[in-house]
Amino acid sequence: GAGVSQTPSNKVTEKGKYVELRCDPISGHTALYWYRQSLGQGPEFLIYFQGTGAADDSGLPNDRFFAVRPEGSVSTLKIQRTERGDSAVYLCASSLRGGEETQYFGPGTRLLVL
Amino acid sequence: DQQVKQNSPSLSVQEGRISILNCDYTNSMFDYFLWYKKYPAEGPTFLISISSIKDKNEDGRFTVFLNKSAKHLSLHIVPSQPGDSAVYFCAASTSGTYKYIFGTGTRLKVLA
Repeated sequence: GAGVSQTPSNKVTEKGKYVELRCDPISGHTALYWYRQSLGQGPEFLIYFQGTGAADDSGLPNDRFFAVRPEGSVSTLKIQRTERGDSAVYLCASSLRGGEETQYFGPGTRLLVL
Repeated sequence: DQQVKQNSPSLSVQEGRISILNCDYTNSMFDYFLWYKKYPAEGPTFLISISSIKDKNEDGRFTVFLNKSAKHLSLHIVPSQPGDSAVYFCAASTSGTYKYIFGTGTRLKVLA
């Protein structure tokens, strides 16, 4: 497929568990972004990767959240000790180089923490 | 502190008429603005953008207007079609920051 893909599409977990969310960006896109969308809100920025490095992680809410992009393509968002307040749709986006460019979004992973 | 505001949570328009969606922002450093459309269970889809050096950008049925002095932008859809029914998000960014700040969205319903 040509677009951004995210897996799983839905994830249900229990409070305190660890979860990993995966993002496959558009081939050739060097910039990758994670956003979180809570019910009734717009997407909120979490972290931005340029290549393998996190260029801006100012949106990560606390140290339970961590993201990696070891080979500059696929990225994994990791959430430790999940809390009910982490329930949201986690969106991934990519753009060709970053900067003032259009970001293309994936379908998101809907996370529900019970 | 909501830097990008969409004060109308919903809007209904008759097919063939004009839809006008509004967005206000507070941060004068924003210099790039976008509109995204979102269908249920899908990610946001890019619609149209505008740089702060312009006051209008047009793409087919979609036109975005930017009023920098009022810190206001609007999206016009003419003519509206039932397939335009979706949630529309306004987003803004500042050069060099790479992150978008989104509004809370407006749900547009185009009635056939």
